[in-house]
Amino acid sequence: SYELTQPPSVSVSPGQTARITCSGDALPKQYAYWYQQKPGLAPVLVIYKDSERPSGIPERFSGSSSGTTVTLTISGVQAEDEADYYCQSADSSDTYVVFGGGTKLTVL
Amino acid sequence: EVQLVQSGAEVKKPGESLKISCKGSGYSFPTYWIGWVRQMPGKGLEWMGIIYPGDSDTRYSPSFQGQVTISADKSINTAYLQWSSLKASDTAMYYCVRRSNGYNSYAYWGQGTLVTVSS
Repeated sequence: SYELTQPPSVSVSPGQTARITCSGDALPKQYAYWYQQKPGLAPVLVIYKDSERPSGIPERFSGSSSGTTVTLTISGVQAEDEADYYCQSADSSDTYVVFGGGTKLTVL
Repeated sequence: EVQLVQSGAEVKKPGESLKISCKGSGYSFPTYWIGWVRQMPGKGLEWMGIIYPGDSDTRYSPSFQGQVTISADKSINTAYLQWSSLKASDTAMYYCVRRSNGYNSYAYWGQGTLVTVSS
């Protein structure tokens, strides 16, 4: 079955830049999406179609893609950005959706 | 305003059946795919499957095929997730999600339904 691989954790100090990667064989052919989930809440879409930002999402959130890896970048990290982040995409046939295992972002 | 409102928390015993619901409002319910996502306690998100309420076309993740049934009633703008025989391992938060038209993202999520299965 198709899998997306994320690092389990990333730590940064406030004001620094956090980068969270997500790897998958079908990513050159399929868009990636990123979700932020804070404790006790439903996930929120923060990036769609690799690099587009939904309305209401701060500009410090950005996405990029290179080959089989996509990256969520949070510039000027704030304490409120501490959360779990999940990438999501589809398999090469566009039949099945898959989520990455999630990355816990800790703001030191 | 698009909203997905899910039914309330459930506590069930192993072997019991269950059907939880997700009511959409603020948009044309039949014309957007509705999916279900599982999150086991302390774990990540798992895509279970999806249904197009307009014609009930349904797709399941291989991991959930045969384990659950996804359905929808477009006349009342409601999607369902059901189990015929619950197991303790079905204990989880379940979210319904609305797929964006044209691409595979989920901008709208229900508030979640916590299902607890315990003897």
